[in-house]
Amino acid sequence: EAQVTQNPRYLITVTGKKLTVTCSQNMNHEYMSWYRQDPGLGLRQIYYSMNVEVTDKGDVPEGYKVSRKEKRNFPLILESPSPNQTSLYFCASRSGANVLTFGAGSRLTVL
Amino acid sequence: QQPVQSPQAVILREGEDAVINCSSSKALYSVHWYRQKHGEAPVFLMILLKGGEQKGHDKISASFNEKKQQSSLYLTASQLSYSGTYFCGTPSGGSYIPTFGRGTSLIVHP
Repeated sequence: EAQVTQNPRYLITVTGKKLTVTCSQNMNHEYMSWYRQDPGLGLRQIYYSMNVEVTDKGDVPEGYKVSRKEKRNFPLILESPSPNQTSLYFCASRSGANVLTFGAGSRLTVL
Repeated sequence: QQPVQSPQAVILREGEDAVINCSSSKALYSVHWYRQKHGEAPVFLMILLKGGEQKGHDKISASFNEKKQQSSLYLTASQLSYSGTYFCGTPSGGSYIPTFGRGTSLIVHP
C-alpha cells in the first residue's frame, strides 16, 4: 500500500532534549515536506526537499533541521525543543501529478 | 506566504450549499484543495492548473480565476460526510509543494 509513515505518533518530551521525528514514503516520490498544524494557523510548511541532498526552508524553519540522505526518508530534527514547538506535525510526499500524500501525523508536546 | 481563506467557519444543515474562497496576493499558477476530517490527515480533493478551469468531484467543485488570483470551492447539497476543515494551497517559490491557508471549518448538521 502506498503510504507515508511517521514515527512517533505521540511524544511528550522536555525542553532541550533532542528528538527526531522520522518520515518514510514507499512511493519513490522526489518531493517531500514537513508541516506543522496549530489551531487557527492552518498547515505551515517547515522544510521541504526536492530530492536527495536537496532541502530548503519553508515558512517556519526556525528551531528545526532536516536531512535527506535517501529518497524514501525525510526526518525532522529538533535539536533543542522548546514549548512553542508543541504542535501536530505532518510529513507529506508529492506525486508526479502534484498530489500530496500525508502521513498520519505526530503530536508532540514539549514541557 | 499563506493564501487567505474565507470564511473561517461555516455551519450548515444537510442539503444546504456552501462556498469557500481562497485568494492570494501573489500570482497563482495552480490551486490545490484538501479536506481534513477531525483527527485525520489532510486528503487531496482536486487541483486546478489553469485560469478559468473548473473541476468537480461528487458534489464538490471548484473554480480558478487566475486574473483575480482567487479560487472558490463549491459544496452542493451538503452531506454529513462533508464536515471537516478545508484547505487551499498554492505552490511557492520553486518547491511545487503548496503553502496552505489557515483553513475553513465546515460543520454539517442533520
